[in-house]
Amino acid sequence: QKEVEQDPGPLSVPEGAIVSLNCTYSNSAFQYFMWYRQYSRKGPELLMYTYSSGNKEDGRFTAQVDKSSKYISLFIRDSQPSDSATYLCAMSGGNAGKSTFGDGTTLTVKP
Amino acid sequence: NAGVMQNPRHLVRRRGQEARLRCSPMKGHSHVYWYRQLPEEGLKFMVYLQKENIIDESGMPKERFSAEFPKEGPSILRIQQVVRGDSAAYFCASSPGTAYTGELFFGEGSRLTVL
Repeated sequence: QKEVEQDPGPLSVPEGAIVSLNCTYSNSAFQYFMWYRQYSRKGPELLMYTYSSGNKEDGRFTAQVDKSSKYISLFIRDSQPSDSATYLCAMSGGNAGKSTFGDGTTLTVKP
Repeated sequence: NAGVMQNPRHLVRRRGQEARLRCSPMKGHSHVYWYRQLPEEGLKFMVYLQKENIIDESGMPKERFSAEFPKEGPSILRIQQVVRGDSAAYFCASSPGTAYTGELFFGEGSRLTVL
């Protein structure tokens, strides 16, 4: 079983829709939870990070972490065609060290 | 450009040759990570280095792969006697090493094709 499981997609939505991206994990030691966006043939770009449980909002993006359920989500409001990319969740245990990534969900937002 | 710099961006090697991938971290960053991404897959951790030290190499294949981050110069990921299965995108990331937040800053990747 993988430490991090991500809803595989692909996901296709009309412009303006609300998008929900989700990951589950099994390692209780994870404390930092990140979402990265990766455009085709580019490097991942950090979108948001959250420490421990709770919500964090940044513009149209909201990250949620529920450590009791070992479940994290990224919500995108008023989705735009420019949001079309692969979204990767990632987690780490703190004190520097490696991050463990999900396999990514590819999102297409249609005009 | 103060971002993470990787080169070459594209590398073609024949089976049995050596591949050397280089990574210069962001200015002020002292921690470097290497990840491999196979087509349609996520990022798989390979190795975590600080200057002159390998901190965690739990994701590195036991043979043919090595990494270093010398006191001066870029970090190097070296793959000896490449095989077709080594064809992938190799990403380098860096972090400041202080006030850890889990953030990694990635380069654009080096895409290795083994013929």
